[in-house]
Amino acid sequence: DIQMTQSPSSLSASVGDRVTITCRASQTISNFLNWHQQKPGEAPKLLIYAASNLQSGVPSRFSGSGSGTDFTLTISSLQPDDFATYYCQQSYGAPYTFGQGTKLEIK
Amino acid sequence: QITLKESGPTLVKPTQTLTLTCTFSGFSLSTSGVGVGWIRQPPGKALEWLALIYWDADKRYSPSLESRLTITKDTSRNQVVLIMTNMDPVDTGTYYCAHRGGQGNYWYFDIWGRGSLVTVSS
Repeated sequence: DIQMTQSPSSLSASVGDRVTITCRASQTISNFLNWHQQKPGEAPKLLIYAASNLQSGVPSRFSGSGSGTDFTLTISSLQPDDFATYYCQQSYGAPYTFGQGTKLEIK
Repeated sequence: QITLKESGPTLVKPTQTLTLTCTFSGFSLSTSGVGVGWIRQPPGKALEWLALIYWDADKRYSPSLESRLTITKDTSRNQVVLIMTNMDPVDTGTYYCAHRGGQGNYWYFDIWGRGSLVTVSS
């Protein structure tokens, strides 16, 4: 199985901050990496697919990068609606594992 | 517009079998490239991928749960069913179904159901 490790596990930041979340795969996955956002009591929402492609309707302050084993999700200027938990997920090969999540909290 | 909705029991007893149904609209599970997956989330914990069924009835399972899982589709009824046997309290959580979208080799869960909370308790 491909293990996905996110860092940090939690993060406190303020509105307007630039934030970066990292996801590392235990083996190379090319750019088969997706990012999801989940708010409490809600289903996850796709933000980024294929490492760097913004899903339709997602604000441009979100961006993704990386290839191989190391990936990042960046929020350029945090908005109040962005405080949530973020998960990476690899679509390279089954089982299609998720990271453990990064909880983004208000400072 | 694609929508998915999970349905099934909210409470099951240990050792019982769980049957969850995902009823969807806005796409056909006979269209090439399309799939429906199941993902679960224990309370306060991370997402865990369980199973995926493709338009051609090919299936993939989480190796750690494969012996307990069965995923099937009924294309005419726009439904996907997940069966999990020998339920245990550690299986308590919210179970989501999701649409597998994408192009070519790049795919992703782009539309999710709202989830179905399942509690395993005697």
